[in-house]
Amino acid sequence: DGGITQSPKYLFRKEGQNVTLSCEQNLNHDAMYWYRQDPGQGLRLIYYSQIVNDFQKGDIAEGYSVSREKKESFPLTVTSAQKNPTAFYLCASSRAGQNNEQFFGPGTRLTVL
Amino acid sequence: SQELEQSPQSLIVQEGKNLTINCTSSKTLYGLYWYKQKYGEGLIFLMMLQKGGEEKSHEKITAKLDEKKQQSSLHITASQPSHAGIYLCGAAIGSGSRLTFGEGTQLTVNP
Repeated sequence: DGGITQSPKYLFRKEGQNVTLSCEQNLNHDAMYWYRQDPGQGLRLIYYSQIVNDFQKGDIAEGYSVSREKKESFPLTVTSAQKNPTAFYLCASSRAGQNNEQFFGPGTRLTVL
Repeated sequence: SQELEQSPQSLIVQEGKNLTINCTSSKTLYGLYWYKQKYGEGLIFLMMLQKGGEEKSHEKITAKLDEKKQQSSLHITASQPSHAGIYLCGAAIGSGSRLTFGEGTQLTVNP
């Protein structure tokens, strides 16, 4: 079965700690995305990557970092510089180019204690 | 301000009723996507519209994109409890593959 997975489902972190969220896809998609969703709000783009070893900042990249060393994987690190990290994080992937459906993972809920 | 405005923010209907959710932009939409989300889960793709005036249907859900490609509507006929969830519109505004999303519409269907 092809799909996109995120782990863990729930994540708790203490203030001041960095944490890495995993995103893996076996759809052979070139493009991958990270979004943040807060209650009552839509999705906001954090980072995206259209090809291996390349990525671009989205609308709210401050306090986050990513890497794209493999086509299948696009991990997101939430650093201590992110002032309000508690949120629901969604990863997505798509074929390269315009007007291609984005497939979403199940999400990771991050709570900062 | 939001580049993509979605309305209403929430909607409560009785089972069997029809309903419409709207998604509007002041800019041209190059690809308009409708997704459904259950709380705490990922997004499920419903439909994608590209051409002005385009209309697509799947089961009891119909989506339309206006001729100017600045407004889309999602219509559910004879709603059921299984239709409950959050509906989000996403659109490519300008070139590239990134999408901008509306704030979502929380739909509750009472049996």
